[in-house]
Amino acid sequence: DAGVIQSPRHEVTEMGQEVTLRCKPISGHNSLFWYRQTMMRGLELLIYFNNNVPIDDSGMPEDRFSAKMPNASFSTLKIQPSEPRDSAVYFCASRPDQGSGNTIYFGEGSWLTVV
Amino acid sequence: GDSVTQMEGPVTLSEEAFLTINCTYTATGYPSLFWYVQYPGEGLQLLLKATKADDKGSNKGFEATYRKETTSFHLEKGSVQVSDSAVYFCALSDRQGAQKLVFGQGTRLTINP
Repeated sequence: DAGVIQSPRHEVTEMGQEVTLRCKPISGHNSLFWYRQTMMRGLELLIYFNNNVPIDDSGMPEDRFSAKMPNASFSTLKIQPSEPRDSAVYFCASRPDQGSGNTIYFGEGSWLTVV
Repeated sequence: GDSVTQMEGPVTLSEEAFLTINCTYTATGYPSLFWYVQYPGEGLQLLLKATKADDKGSNKGFEATYRKETTSFHLEKGSVQVSDSAVYFCALSDRQGAQKLVFGQGTRLTINP
């Protein structure tokens, strides 16, 4: 079975540019999570969706960040405009509502560098 | 709010040494507890989990026991290998509401041959 698929795996962009990260959750999973990992702050939950609806976006750092889930198989995390302090690894993760014992499955991450 | 505290790293051991990585948590209710592992350049993989008090999770020679009385979930392995070098994250998930994962800060483990 395919796991959580993220793209791009690596992105280097200039400050001020728009960045769009993409995620395809595991088929049948109802919840989708976006996490950010940095050396200073560790793993932080940015936002999560359940059945395509944003439930909690309190972790989104500021208005430059936005996330959408237009359907059950696709989500985007957008940063506009990007800043060097946004450099991090962004993980998408998914989980079914039933049957996984609360286990969340992670993608391999999108490694973002803003210069 | 809920939180997880792990022993600070980095931890460096020789091959075949005994490993313990401490993890304690603070939560309302009765969370599920997890250990995730992140190998260099990769995403997080579930290593093991326990969903109720006194449960023991185990995988690949690693074990952790859910201790409600001490609010702990320490990770252990009897004989580590070089291939165990990675960052280990303890996490909890409340069974109510969002069931989102709250992570500890991670412990970097290096095993020398």
